[in-house]
Amino acid sequence: EVQLVESGGDLIQPGGSLRLSCAASGFTVSSNYMSWVRQAPGKGPEWVSIIYSGGRTYYTDSVKGRFTISRDNSNNTLYLQMNSLRVEDTAVYYCAKVGSIAGRLSAFDIWGPGTIVNVSS
Amino acid sequence: IQLTQSPSSLSASVGDRVTITCRASQGIDSYLAWYQQKPGQAPKLLIYLISNLQSGVPSRFSGSGSGTDFTLTISSLQPEDFATYYCQQLNSYPLTFGGGTTVEIK
Repeated sequence: EVQLVESGGDLIQPGGSLRLSCAASGFTVSSNYMSWVRQAPGKGPEWVSIIYSGGRTYYTDSVKGRFTISRDNSNNTLYLQMNSLRVEDTAVYYCAKVGSIAGRLSAFDIWGPGTIVNVSS
Repeated sequence: IQLTQSPSSLSASVGDRVTITCRASQGIDSYLAWYQQKPGQAPKLLIYLISNLQSGVPSRFSGSGSGTDFTLTISSLQPEDFATYYCQQLNSYPLTFGGGTTVEIK
């Protein structure tokens, strides 16, 4: 069964760091586009970052220089390292597998259940 | 690229035909997807590349449109369809989602 499960969410003070993990099963993370999406309380989803199968990465402007997406091929796991956390980073963080057709992104076809990050003093 | 969904909410009855619109601030070719989200759950993919039905999604869901104007249609609303729906563009970075349309029971 194709599945994603996030972990690592926590209550953290502003300025702190956190690393989120996303364990995949049923497919190979390194062979796919993988992404992180967050959703603040009562708001819509917000795309955060993506990593290509070839290793290229992209970020939304608000997290550039603070967040880093990476993967561990041996563990088939996706990560999001979050530094210099701000109150506005508070959200449910989802990892997602991104489908592609002819080298172009098509949709976020598999999502994990999410992990909660609460940045508060 | 900004995506504007309308309406932001609607009330409908079981069996109704429901149409949700998503307008992009610039052309996004065919790189538009639709998702359904229920409270406490992750979004679920319904439609990709404007009109392609994701495997396992009921055929009462359909998508259409081109250029900057897109539509999600539910042909006959079922009890399990009451949820919030989001469009997403994957044409260029940053990837963006619409503001959502909540479908409520009338």
